[in-house]
Amino acid sequence: AQSVTQLGSHVSVSEGALVLLRCNYSSSVPPYLFWYVQYPNQGLQLLLKYTTGATLVKGINGFEAEFKKSETSFHLTKPSAHMSDAAEYFCAVSSNAGNNRKLIWGLGTSLAVNP
Amino acid sequence: EAGVAQSPRYKIIEKRQSVAFWCNPISGHATLYWYQQILGQGPKLLIQFQNNGVVDDSQLPKDRFSAERLKGVDSTLKIQPAKLEDSAVYLCASSPGGLSGEQFFGPGTRLTVL
Repeated sequence: AQSVTQLGSHVSVSEGALVLLRCNYSSSVPPYLFWYVQYPNQGLQLLLKYTTGATLVKGINGFEAEFKKSETSFHLTKPSAHMSDAAEYFCAVSSNAGNNRKLIWGLGTSLAVNP
Repeated sequence: EAGVAQSPRYKIIEKRQSVAFWCNPISGHATLYWYQQILGQGPKLLIQFQNNGVVDDSQLPKDRFSAERLKGVDSTLKIQPAKLEDSAVYLCASSPGGLSGEQFFGPGTRLTVL
């Protein structure tokens, strides 16, 4: 069975500092991995995804993530945090259930950005 | 292209009342999902449709929740009767299919049960 673990339910950084949100997964097959962001009172928006190919994936708003198979990780980073990055971030892995795929979700990490 | 539409955005009801949520997925997306997201938690899948057929409703509390997707496009999720613990955001998502399983989300409906 696939699963996702997000280390740290709350992360706080200063504006301009590096953002690092951790995600580890378990999967018996090559995974498809996603990071979604949820701003207050909004739905989830895709930040970036890894399917195949290049392991360093660039997303929107300056975020990127690196797929590391040996570490079963897909950590999300951004070199310099902005106040507007304050939100809830969810890591997810796509289940390998044939054509009826589901997303297996982590519990989320709340990012606070301090001025 | 237009995104996933949901209505209403907010709903307040008394316990034991009924409520319905509507979702219009992205045009051409065959798969539609309803999620429940309780404050501070991740999304919990309630039901997954492929066209107008149910693929997975294993976590849907069928004694009070129902959902349908007539004609394989729009979908409605109903709660009857509502309980206090149903207070949550109800998210609808759609997917074009394919191997990755990427999902596109609507803005959600925030339900408060008093």
